[in-house]
Amino acid sequence: DTGVSQNPRHKITKRGQNVTFRCDPISEHNRLYWYRQTLGQGPEFLTYFQNEAQLEKSRLLSDRFSAERPKGSFSTLEIQRTEQGDSAMYLCASSKKETSLGNIQYFGAGTRLSVL
Amino acid sequence: GDSVTQMEGPVTLSEEAFLTINCTYTATGYPSLFWYVQYPGEGLQLLLKATKADDKGSNKGFEATYRKETTSFHLEKGSVQVSDSAVYFCALTSDQKVTFGTGTKLQVIP
Repeated sequence: DTGVSQNPRHKITKRGQNVTFRCDPISEHNRLYWYRQTLGQGPEFLTYFQNEAQLEKSRLLSDRFSAERPKGSFSTLEIQRTEQGDSAMYLCASSKKETSLGNIQYFGAGTRLSVL
Repeated sequence: GDSVTQMEGPVTLSEEAFLTINCTYTATGYPSLFWYVQYPGEGLQLLLKATKADDKGSNKGFEATYRKETTSFHLEKGSVQVSDSAVYFCALTSDQKVTFGTGTKLQVIP
């Protein structure tokens, strides 16, 4: 079990550029989640997948954001026409289907995005 | 909607001091409650959890009890160490997403 892996760890981009982040979940986990964390705040839910199906999207996820999980394994989060307000830490988490112990999500180290 | 409120930091304690970080929640249904910890430069790690009323979660000397009557899940540790310095997040799940508090930074000084 290598944990949840996110790449890149840091991304610096200019306003208006597109960026894409990747998340590799724990191998046997069928659920995958994306969160955004700004400085001094807790993570905020963006979206989640069960296998390849995207089942819920937060209203925080504007039209410039798109997430995919094409084969039910890794996922990508793309932000088009980045804005300075997109600067944040983007966290990925994964979990198994609901168990009696509650929905325990395991988090990656995150991708820190800085939009100049 | 669901929400989590936790005490603001930073909290600065001397080594071996007693720690309490308060957390209260608002949720529909019967949420599961969690404490996550984030060490500098690292991702969130699950510290402990409780899935029903009166459950006590514990790990690494930390404890928290699920109090339905007061909708609270306060984190405690009897004797903190320098290595406990981190940001602590109280969280809940009542459906598929986790709702986090804003985090409390703990700084333990020797």
